[in-house]
Amino acid sequence: KAGVTQTPRYLIKTRGQQVTLSCSPISGHRSVSWYQQTPGQGLQFLFEYFSETQRNKGNFPGRFSGRQFSNSRSEMNVSTLELGDSALYLCASSFRTGYNEQFFGPGTRLTVL
Amino acid sequence: AQKITQTQPGMFVQEKEAVTLDCTYDTSDPSYGLFWYKQPSSGEMIFLIYQGSYDQQNATEGRYSLNFQKARKSANLVISASQLGDSAMYFCAMTGGSNYKLTFGKGTLLTVNP
Repeated sequence: KAGVTQTPRYLIKTRGQQVTLSCSPISGHRSVSWYQQTPGQGLQFLFEYFSETQRNKGNFPGRFSGRQFSNSRSEMNVSTLELGDSALYLCASSFRTGYNEQFFGPGTRLTVL
Repeated sequence: AQKITQTQPGMFVQEKEAVTLDCTYDTSDPSYGLFWYKQPSSGEMIFLIYQGSYDQQNATEGRYSLNFQKARKSANLVISASQLGDSAMYFCAMTGGSNYKLTFGKGTLLTVNP
């Protein structure tokens, strides 16, 4: 069974640009969550999607948005990039919302110059 | 609000020895879940073990066990017979109530020496 996949794995952008990251959950999983990991703030929850609906949102500005498609694949978008958005963005999938075990992908490492 | 505290920024252990990584938590939810994840330098978060707040017995998964002390609000991870491949960051995390997001601690960097 394939694991969670995230594309791209590495990304370099400049301030002011926008970026879209993609996450494909484990087959059969319908819940996808996104996390941001930085050395200063650690791991922080961004949002969770289940059945194409945002179920939960973390404390991030509106520049961070996401969506989920009918096949459970999810994308997150960051507009007007800032230097502080440089981070490892991790996606996690689970069978259903609230299910205990969340499986993480390898992450997308975003660098903003 | 939930909070996870990991007080050990770094730990060293000799190969084949056991090691305990500390984790304390704070929540007002009567129902919650506690998790441990391993993050090698590659970045991927690897699920290790889960303990539910109503579970009577401590969780075990192979060489990993979770020492759950509910009254003390602690959920320490015990790794038996450490291996060189266990060198990584270890994160304690929790979910609680109707909020299924994971709240993570700052992590502990474990180094296994040969």
